[in-house]
Amino acid sequence: QLVLTQSPSASASLGASVTLTCTLSSGHSSNAISWLQQQPEKGPRFLMKVNRDGSHVKGDGIPDRFSGSSSGTERYLTISSLHSDDEADYYCQTWGTGVQWVFGGGTKLTVL
Amino acid sequence: EVQLLESGGGLIQPGGSLRLSCAASGFTFGSYAMSWVRQAPGKGLEWVSAISGGGGNTYYADSVKGRFTISRDNSKNTVYLQMNSLRAEDTAVYYCAKEVPLDVSFDYWGQGTLVTVPS
Repeated sequence: QLVLTQSPSASASLGASVTLTCTLSSGHSSNAISWLQQQPEKGPRFLMKVNRDGSHVKGDGIPDRFSGSSSGTERYLTISSLHSDDEADYYCQTWGTGVQWVFGGGTKLTVL
Repeated sequence: EVQLLESGGGLIQPGGSLRLSCAASGFTFGSYAMSWVRQAPGKGLEWVSAISGGGGNTYYADSVKGRFTISRDNSKNTVYLQMNSLRAEDTAVYYCAKEVPLDVSFDYWGQGTLVTVPS
């Protein structure tokens, strides 16, 4: 069974960079994943898709400060030059078994 | 501009039924599969159901199979989620999302509608 694992929380200072990690369960290292941002009281926003080779395709209007990368079973989201409104929950998502989607538990990012 | 607007949520007693709607605009609706995803209060995201662009193929999470029915009316650019035999654990904000064809991603999401089933 495919599981996506994310750290529950992360923090970084205004203007700094932070990298969030999404780990695919064993045997699923080929999966692409998507990153979503959910600001407080809002619906999720698609940020990008990250492929196993680290290439990524961003959603409409996503700034260059957001980038993706990959290593083995880990998929990364890096946010540089942190803004206050980057404070949000970040989720990763991928296909599970059959026609279904699986989400990670989410990482709550605090901008200090 | 792509927009997805959910409606139909509310307070419903256990065992009751509710129909959610998601009105779409800004894209060729019938060309895209759509999904419903829910989020219980203070919890993460859970995929609920999906429907193909033409409506002929539907898919459900095990947690709602046999109780929920997804459908769509491409003439009205609307996708629906009929929820029957509701339980307290169905309490959540329900989002509709537009799927990227043959891809892992949902590239647009609505703002959600809250369904509350008291225990």
